[in-house]
Amino acid sequence: DADVTQTPRNRITKTGKRIMLECSQTKGHDRMYWYRQDPGLGLRLIYYSFDVKDINKGEISDGYSVSRQAQAKFSLSLESAIPNQTALYFCATSDFLAGGYEQFFGPGTRLTVL
Amino acid sequence: QQQVKQSPQSLIVQKGGISIINCAYENTAFDYFPWYQQFPGKGPALLIAIRPDVSEKKEGRFTISFNKSAKQFSLHIMDSQPGDSATYFCAASHGNQGGKLIFGQGTELSVKP
Repeated sequence: DADVTQTPRNRITKTGKRIMLECSQTKGHDRMYWYRQDPGLGLRLIYYSFDVKDINKGEISDGYSVSRQAQAKFSLSLESAIPNQTALYFCATSDFLAGGYEQFFGPGTRLTVL
Repeated sequence: QQQVKQSPQSLIVQKGGISIINCAYENTAFDYFPWYQQFPGKGPALLIAIRPDVSEKKEGRFTISFNKSAKQFSLHIMDSQPGDSATYFCAASHGNQGGKLIFGQGTELSVKP
């Protein structure tokens, strides 16, 4: 969905490096989410934000941090990347205040940690 | 703890056949059950969703069947086409979680011509 953009689309990095993945949306949605996708494990929630001042841990937040710089921007950081953080990362948004449960996903960032 | 279990992990169906993917959940407070479709290189997108007050919802060739007592729901794809080849995820949510979704493990569907 072009309304939810992620940068970079691909990234190769080394163990111990700090990495930031960025997500921007033009949908005007209040809620934003970060997931990682691994084969056989589905999509697992890392962090989610209901508004700029409300950030919550998901089921696999260890090793990650986030920042909601504005309603439209939500960044995911890996403070010290490790190989088992190699995965496909997705940002998503939803318009929950308007009664919408549907989540709209970005195109994903493929991260490889060597 | 996996609250939504999805099977099979992969599925191969001939063109024109019926594809069936199953999910089971544990939390009886869940009140929204969507299915997402993901094509290679793309993010997941909502395909169809159901709430527990109905037992079936149909949209074109796609149908969700919902069994509240068994805590199970399934996706049926009728007249499967090669263009349906994708990864499918079931999910569940409940209102007091503010729309947060719990996803199943995913099913990779391949429809052979």
